[in-house]
Amino acid sequence: ETGVTQTPRHLVMGMTNKKSLKCEQHLGHNAMYWYKQSAKKPLELMFVYSLEERVENNSVPSRFSPECPNSSHLFLHLHTLQPEDSALYLCASSQVPTDSGANVLTFGAGSRLTVL
Amino acid sequence: LAKTTQPISMDSYEGQEVNITCSHNNIATNDYITWYQQFPSQGPRFIIQGYKTKVTNEVASLFIPADRKSSTLSLPRVSLSDTAVYYCLVGDGWKAAGNKLTFGGGTRVLVKP
Repeated sequence: ETGVTQTPRHLVMGMTNKKSLKCEQHLGHNAMYWYKQSAKKPLELMFVYSLEERVENNSVPSRFSPECPNSSHLFLHLHTLQPEDSALYLCASSQVPTDSGANVLTFGAGSRLTVL
Repeated sequence: LAKTTQPISMDSYEGQEVNITCSHNNIATNDYITWYQQFPSQGPRFIIQGYKTKVTNEVASLFIPADRKSSTLSLPRVSLSDTAVYYCLVGDGWKAAGNKLTFGGGTRVLVKP
């Protein structure tokens, strides 16, 4: 496979469930991202990992827990979510320049999450 | 930090050229300009990126004036399948649009038959 792959594509969970979203990139990139996109809202950056270290946590509630075991894999662990957390969760990766320069994100198709 | 402003929506017809202008008055010296396209329920897709003057690829052209305070994405001869939301991002490495790679509202382009 090539590009950025997200699983599952669709997920329905209750507020007391624990589930995980998975992302895998086959591009050899050094950074991975989680974004949230709610209906009719701009994409919100949630987390950024560079070389498996979290470099950005955009004030995300603790019921979302990211994990980056290696440079190719990224998880988003979900527990005790609220209905307002229903959204499209997008994973992206990029090869971030070491100094200044262009940064281009490659996105996965997303995981559509519905919290009942 | 650079912030971008683009029109909320634009309508066009098949076969026409669509031009979307993005304003970024506070663009910094090291900032690049990047455009993405997003279809419903999919992740954004990279279209084109530039630093100055004109860049062209098989999908679009990007025009950047000398002062770099704005940029225009040009989609030649659009088809119905070009109906999507188009985002303009301005930034350098980790930074874009005043925050780390934060997308604005984008421009919703509707191509009519």
